[in-house]
Amino acid sequence: RKEVEQDPGPFNVPEGATVAFNCTYSNSASQSFFWYRQDCRKEPKLLMSVYSSGNEDGRFTAQLNRASQYISLLIRDSKLSDSATYLCVVLGSSNTGKLIFGQGTTLQVKP
Amino acid sequence: DGGITQSPKYLFRKEGQNVTLSCEQNLNHDAMYWYRQDPGQGLRLIYYSQIVNDFQKGDIAEGYSVSREKKESFPLTVTSAQKNPTAFYLCASSPTGAYGYTFGSGTRLTVV
Repeated sequence: RKEVEQDPGPFNVPEGATVAFNCTYSNSASQSFFWYRQDCRKEPKLLMSVYSSGNEDGRFTAQLNRASQYISLLIRDSKLSDSATYLCVVLGSSNTGKLIFGQGTTLQVKP
Repeated sequence: DGGITQSPKYLFRKEGQNVTLSCEQNLNHDAMYWYRQDPGQGLRLIYYSQIVNDFQKGDIAEGYSVSREKKESFPLTVTSAQKNPTAFYLCASSPTGAYGYTFGSGTRLTVV
């Protein structure tokens, strides 16, 4: 079983749609969680951290369910510029700072 | 401006050659990492270093080597022992105790 699993998609949605991505992780002791965005042929960039209470940044909402070892990202009112691959990321070890990346979920927003 | 610089952007290697990818940061970060990304796959950790003159193997270290002689620099050598080196290589850094990575823009290595 992969340590971090995501549905690779692609998710094809029209502009203005709401879309949700899910991710599961295998290590119940994991403490820190993130969503990164990666544009085609570019480096990943931090989109947002994920907190136990859930957190929101504009059109983006991230949620964590520790009991189910499940993380989600909700994007409301999708823009063309949201088209990218979204990587679910889990801190593998607090001692080393190693991050474990899911394979990513590709989003394509259509006009 | 502070940042992390990888060079070259594109690199072509002949069979049996060793090549070195450069990674330099001026963020004063203690920790540095090398990841490899293959098409349609997530990033996989090759090597990491938390302090100068010390580094640890990641999940796929075979066929790679690194050094950390300076805080700012963490070069990766892809040796001829790496049988499938064609990939996108990403270098990252982070401050000790903090978990947000800053990534370089990557090096695309192709075996010709």
